[in-house]
Amino acid sequence: DIQMTQSPSTLSASVGDRITITCRASQSVDTWLAWYQQRAGKAPKVLIYRASSLESGVPSRFSGSGSGTEFTLTISSLQPDDFATYYCQQYISYSLTFGGGTKVEIK
Amino acid sequence: EVQLVESGGGLVQPGGSLRLSCAASGFTFSNYWMNWVRQTPGKGLEWVANINQDGSQKYYVGSVKGRFTISRDNTQSSLYLEMNSLRAEDTAVYFCTRGPGGPNGGVSYSWGQGALVSVSS
Repeated sequence: DIQMTQSPSTLSASVGDRITITCRASQSVDTWLAWYQQRAGKAPKVLIYRASSLESGVPSRFSGSGSGTEFTLTISSLQPDDFATYYCQQYISYSLTFGGGTKVEIK
Repeated sequence: EVQLVESGGGLVQPGGSLRLSCAASGFTFSNYWMNWVRQTPGKGLEWVANINQDGSQKYYVGSVKGRFTISRDNTQSSLYLEMNSLRAEDTAVYFCTRGPGGPNGGVSYSWGQGALVSVSS
């Protein structure tokens, strides 16, 4: 199975900060990568698919980039609603795998 | 509006069985891949299984192969997960998710609220 590793596991930041989360795959997933946001007590929701395509309704401050084995999710100006946990997920393989998550906390 | 409502969760003893159901509405169920994804309390997400539009393709994470069975009833817009030989490590919130409408599974575009399965003696 393809392993997905996210870093950092926790990130402390302030409203207005620009933040970047990294996701690395154990082998190439081309651009078959999605990013999800999960707020406390809620189900996840998709933010980005195909590594860089913004899901409808997601604010433009979210962006994704990368291909192959290294990917990033960037939030250009952190808003109060953005304090949450973020997961990457590869879907090149029929056996889907998620990263371990990055919790974005208020500094 | 897409709605996915899971049911059937609960407390079960190790070695026991449970069947989760997911009632879907707000979209043409038979056009989409469907998934089960679980989340251990306080931990991350783990994809469990998925099924294509007509049920001819089914895939499972290694740890549940041979114990769990995913199925669907397109006439009832329902997804199921039959779980046998349950272990303590299967304890989790199980989410029903809607995948893409194309030939390949992958992204979970919509999620239910989750059903808690607890395996304990």
